Amino acid sequence: DIVMTQSPDSLAVSLGERATINCKSSQSVLFKSNNKNSLAWYQQKPGQPPKLLIFWASIRDSGVPDRFSGSGSGTDFTLTISSLQAEDVALYYCQQYYTTPATFGQGTRLDIK
Amino acid sequence: EVQLVQSGAEVKKPGESLKISCKGSGYSFSSYWIAWVRQMPGKDLEWLGIIFPRDSETRYSPSFQGRVTFSADKSTNTAYLQWRSLKASDTAIYYCARLTVVRAPLDYWGQGTLVTVSS
Repeated sequence: DIVMTQSPDSLAVSLGERATINCKSSQSVLFKSNNKNSLAWYQQKPGQPPKLLIFWASIRDSGVPDRFSGSGSGTDFTLTISSLQAEDVALYYCQQYYTTPATFGQGTRLDIK
Repeated sequence: EVQLVQSGAEVKKPGESLKISCKGSGYSFSSYWIAWVRQMPGKDLEWLGIIFPRDSETRYSPSFQGRVTFSADKSTNTAYLQWRSLKASDTAIYYCARLTVVRAPLDYWGQGTLVTVSS
């Protein structure tokens, strides 16, 4: 299985500041047939299911605010929130769907400083 | 509007069987895969596997193969996750989620079903 490792496990950022979460895969998730990385980011708020934020490493899902952006390629990826809002407090997970079983990172808890 | 609505919370004893459900609406249920994902209390997300309702093709994670069974009923737009003999370690929230193809992100999720296994 591909192992996904996120860093940090938790972070606290001031409102309006930038938040950055990293995700590293144990092998490349670059899908050669379309030259895209099979990497998604999800947001999970307490008592709710995860919500898809970003897929193919950098494409925002419909309705996701543009303060959320994804970047990276191969084995190293980043989720950036450009200006943290109170409603962004949540757990964030990366997931590779390059191969089955799909696997998730351990999650990063984001709080307000 | 795409919706996945799961059955309610369950409390079972070790050794008992259980089948939980996930009903899709607002899209062509037979044309999309359904994934099952486990989240143990305060823990990571784990991908159990997927089922394609049109022909009931399944792909199980090796970690869960033989422990759970997926099924689907196209006539009622419902997918199922089943255990023959529950263990305390099966206590978790189980989510169903939709994906377009085998290797795809999970774009819509059910609300989750809490399964508690305790003697």
